[in-house]
Amino acid sequence: EIVMTQSPATLSVSPGERATLSCRASQSVSSNLAWYQQKPGQAPRLLIYGTSTRATGIPARFSGSGSGTEFTLTISSLQSEDFAVYYCQQYNNWPPMYTFGQGTKLEIK
Amino acid sequence: QVHLQESGPGLVKPSETLSLTCTVSGGSISSYYWSWIRQPAGKGLEWIGRMYFSGNTNYNPSLESRVTLSVDTSKNQFSLKMISVTAADTAVYYCVRIPRYSGTYSYFDQWGQGALVTVSS
Repeated sequence: EIVMTQSPATLSVSPGERATLSCRASQSVSSNLAWYQQKPGQAPRLLIYGTSTRATGIPARFSGSGSGTEFTLTISSLQSEDFAVYYCQQYNNWPPMYTFGQGTKLEIK
Repeated sequence: QVHLQESGPGLVKPSETLSLTCTVSGGSISSYYWSWIRQPAGKGLEWIGRMYFSGNTNYNPSLESRVTLSVDTSKNQFSLKMISVTAADTAVYYCVRIPRYSGTYSYFDQWGQGALVTVSS
């Protein structure tokens, strides 16, 4: 099973600043990497898929990059609504398997 | 905009069977994979399994022996059954859609609001 490790567990950033969240896979996942945002009491929301493609309606301040085993989610200028928990997720073709990182909590500094 | 809604008992006794149904509205269940994901309180996300509208299924190996997914295209619904539940199965259960992208089914683009299932006597 591919293990996804996110860092840091908690990230404290001031509004207006840049946030950089990391996700590492235990083996290559090609470009099959997605990012989700989850606020308390809500379902996760898709932000990024295919490593770097923003989902419908996602602001341009969210960007994804990386390849193989190292991936990054960058939020260029944090807005108040961006403080949440972020999960990365990989997909392995065979056998079909989806695994998530443990999450990074983005909190207001 | 497609909408997913989970339904089923919120309380299940240990050793019994957990059953949930997801109703898809605003779009067809056809031509997509559909999946279940769960999240224990305060913890991360765990993929349970996926089903194609035609009935093809794949499961998380850690849960495969206890889980069955099924689909009813006439009702635009898909379902989850998990047998022999324990307190460790207490979680919010989400039904989700998997679109096809670049030839793979690699992410989850639409989520239900989630259904809390508590396993307790």
